[in-house]
Amino acid sequence: GAVVSQHPSRVICKSGTSVKIECRSLDFQATTMFWYRQFPKQSLMLMATSNEGSKATYEQGVEKDKFLINHASLTLSTLTVTSAHPEDSSFYICSAALQNYNEQFFGPGTRLTVL
Amino acid sequence: GEDVEQSLFLSVREGDSSVINCTYTDSSSTYLYWYKQEPGAGLQLLTYIFSNMDMKQDQRLTVLLNKKDKHLSLRIADTQTGDSAIYFCAETIPTDSWGKLQFGAGTQVVVTP
Repeated sequence: GAVVSQHPSRVICKSGTSVKIECRSLDFQATTMFWYRQFPKQSLMLMATSNEGSKATYEQGVEKDKFLINHASLTLSTLTVTSAHPEDSSFYICSAALQNYNEQFFGPGTRLTVL
Repeated sequence: GEDVEQSLFLSVREGDSSVINCTYTDSSSTYLYWYKQEPGAGLQLLTYIFSNMDMKQDQRLTVLLNKKDKHLSLRIADTQTGDSAIYFCAETIPTDSWGKLQFGAGTQVVVTP
């Protein structure tokens, strides 16, 4: 099946710094990428939907200025957590989808810890 | 509250069958999915079913869909210790954003020897 990678897999940062997470589709071109966050023992919550070359669509309650999403190519989307705070600590998972396919391929996730 | 609901925990003995249940609310969902998540990892798609189907079988996995009751189940035959994980059901949400998924809270399955 299609492979999606995320980098880094784990990051620890100080409060107030910004962190960039990359999501890559390795063997296919993804028309749409999704960003989720998952708190411990909870489900995945969709943060935003990103289409290549256009602005991301954010879910209600997600601050677009805090979680910057860039989808510059069909194989790469980035999520930047700006001015991170301890409450932003979470597991961030991306997924990539092929046009006309009803399947999302998930990355392995990035564990963000903000001290 | 969540639109997709699952029981939170299931304990099963190795070799027995596991049944994980899920209810959803959006009757216009086109696809329903089962994902598996192992500790510290992303989601692995196990199987999915189109909304006009009642059942789908794939090796040890059997998915049953009762569209009238909006009930989805996943049966794992001959459960193995490697099946211990969190299982999420998800439905597609037919909106302008193609492919948007609504997940349940996940069912933690623990397989005991």
